[in-house]
Amino acid sequence: AQSVTQPDIHITVSEGASLELRCNYSYGATPYLFWYVQSPGQGLQLLLKYFSGDTLVQGIKGFEAEFKRSQSSFNLRKPSVHWSDAAEYFCAVGGAGYNTDKLIFGTGTRLQVFP
Amino acid sequence: EADIYQTPRYLVIGTGKKITLECSQTMGHDKMYWYQQDPGMELHLIHYSYGVNSTEKGDLSSESTVSRIRTEHFPLTLESARPSHTSQYLCASSESKRGGTRNEQFFGPGTRLTVL
Repeated sequence: AQSVTQPDIHITVSEGASLELRCNYSYGATPYLFWYVQSPGQGLQLLLKYFSGDTLVQGIKGFEAEFKRSQSSFNLRKPSVHWSDAAEYFCAVGGAGYNTDKLIFGTGTRLQVFP
Repeated sequence: EADIYQTPRYLVIGTGKKITLECSQTMGHDKMYWYQQDPGMELHLIHYSYGVNSTEKGDLSSESTVSRIRTEHFPLTLESARPSHTSQYLCASSESKRGGTRNEQFFGPGTRLTVL
């Protein structure tokens, strides 16, 4: 079955510290992978996406993610966290091909940043 | 500016009332989606549409209904609201591309519904 697992429900880091949010997926076909961020009371904003090619992808706000097929992972990283990064982060997987474009979301990781 | 809009942003309503949540996008996207999201939980797809006059039920069963009469408009209706319908509803849209869709979905700000 297709699924996305985000093992960490809640992460707390100090401002300026590095960050890694974990995402593991199970998908039978070529996966398209996404990271979205959701601020309180808001919709989701796309941070970055992976379709093919270079397995290290750069996104907005200084985020990057690395696709590791052998580990079925797509972890999100940022070298230095800012207080404004506090939000909920969702990993999602979708598939290739027309009409197979429903996204499956993980349960999210809530990031708290201390000054 | 191309965007996706949802109204109202917040709605508090009594049990038994009929409600319609509005969603409009100005990006010309063919595909549109409705998700339900409870606090601290993942998003669950409840409806989607591939174009005008196309609607499908999503993975999570919902008592709501949708319509797609115009490309840019995808309203969601609850005929008789109940407290169990209290949740956040997110609308999204994406582009269609033959030969391999890119799946990237653009989200509206959401409607937080509370049914008393």
